[in-house]
Amino acid sequence: GQQVMQIPQYQHVQEGEDFTTYCNSSTTLSNIQWYKQRPGGHPVFLIQLVKSGEVKKQKRLTFQFGEAKKNSSLHITATQTTDVGTYFCAGLGSYNQGGKLIFGQGTELSVKP
Amino acid sequence: NAGVTQTPKFQVLKTGQSMTLQCAQDMNHEYMSWYRQDPGMGLRLIHYSVGAGITDQGEVPNGYNVSRSTTEDFPLRLLSAAPSQTSVYFCASSSTGSGNTIYFGEGSWLTVV
Repeated sequence: GQQVMQIPQYQHVQEGEDFTTYCNSSTTLSNIQWYKQRPGGHPVFLIQLVKSGEVKKQKRLTFQFGEAKKNSSLHITATQTTDVGTYFCAGLGSYNQGGKLIFGQGTELSVKP
Repeated sequence: NAGVTQTPKFQVLKTGQSMTLQCAQDMNHEYMSWYRQDPGMGLRLIHYSVGAGITDQGEVPNGYNVSRSTTEDFPLRLLSAAPSQTSVYFCASSSTGSGNTIYFGEGSWLTVV
């Protein structure tokens, strides 16, 4: 079955440093989504990438979808303490498989002030 | 809008007991899912539904039952609780109309002793 692997599992950074998490799928994805979960909270949607090679930015966050639509990355520039949380990628194998999103294991980011 | 509502928020069960986690959404989404979250394992799909009357298994369905008699409700039943089912459970809903963005409930913390 479809598998989504995410690395690293944990990342500790000093405030102001950059952060990147990587996501790889065993199969080609129709789209990939990114979510953020604050400690004790529930995952919250950040963004969806659909096109091969797509790059999207949200302020200090840059999201990329690989050319083969099997990998993705999230890069945060100059981290802040508000960036603390776990970041998940989630892949959809087929567009008509709504509800069957498969999540990576997540990357837990801690930021030291 | 209430979004996705889960109850109860916290529950302690004895091994062998059964219970139902309730989930309701008011966004008229056709897709609904149940995930469990365990440390280091990310979010794993238990069961999902693509519409009323239709359910299917996810990655970790054993020990759980679901039904979808209405668009709004998607209860998760633990048939005979085991300590391995101690976890945080998230209900989610989505729609192709919303680009398959998943909206999560706030979670149910379940402990089986």
